[in-house]
Amino acid sequence: GDSVTQMEGPVTLSEEAFLTINCTYTATGYPSLFWYVQYPGEGLQLLLKATKADDKGSNKGFEATYRKETTSFHLEKGSVQVSDSAVYFCALSEFGNEKLTFGTGTRLTIIP
Amino acid sequence: EAGVAQSPRYKIIEKRQSVAFWCNPISGHATLYWYQQILGQGPKLLIQFQNNGVVDDSQLPKDRFSAERLKGVDSTLKIQPAKLEDSAVYLCASSPGGDTQYFGPGTRLTVL
Repeated sequence: GDSVTQMEGPVTLSEEAFLTINCTYTATGYPSLFWYVQYPGEGLQLLLKATKADDKGSNKGFEATYRKETTSFHLEKGSVQVSDSAVYFCALSEFGNEKLTFGTGTRLTIIP
Repeated sequence: EAGVAQSPRYKIIEKRQSVAFWCNPISGHATLYWYQQILGQGPKLLIQFQNNGVVDDSQLPKDRFSAERLKGVDSTLKIQPAKLEDSAVYLCASSPGGDTQYFGPGTRLTVL
């Protein structure tokens, strides 16, 4: 079945540091890939997505590129802020089936 | 536009008791999902509705969990009787179609 493997956390960085959170997936078809973010006390929010190979999703300074050859969708940001502290989830959905399969989440803490 | 509403936000019960959660999706969204998020894990789909019909309930523990979506709008998820391992956050999400889901704030259930 489908699965998503995320970089183990928690991750602690200083403000303005470069961020990478690794995500790899296993899927039988051609999935869409997502990053969701959960800020403290809030629900899951879609951060970005990509629907086909080599697509780049971007939002709020975050980027992730759909790499079919390495089955990866790593999340990156060039300069993190304290407000980026949250839990980040990588997820996929198969074409024609909207249900999401999530990774275990990575807790990110940014210190000033 | 109002988001996905859930209630209650928190619930504490003893094992073997019953509990029900309510979800009101975004107006016009035909698809509704219930996810279970155990601490330290990613959300796991319990059930998916399309209007008032069940699309996928393959991971719903049907001996104790039930869900309904009356008139294709609001939905209720029930657990009867609850076990300790049911302690989790229960997330409701809705979608107008396609691959983007909108999540509610969740209900945190603690079973003692």
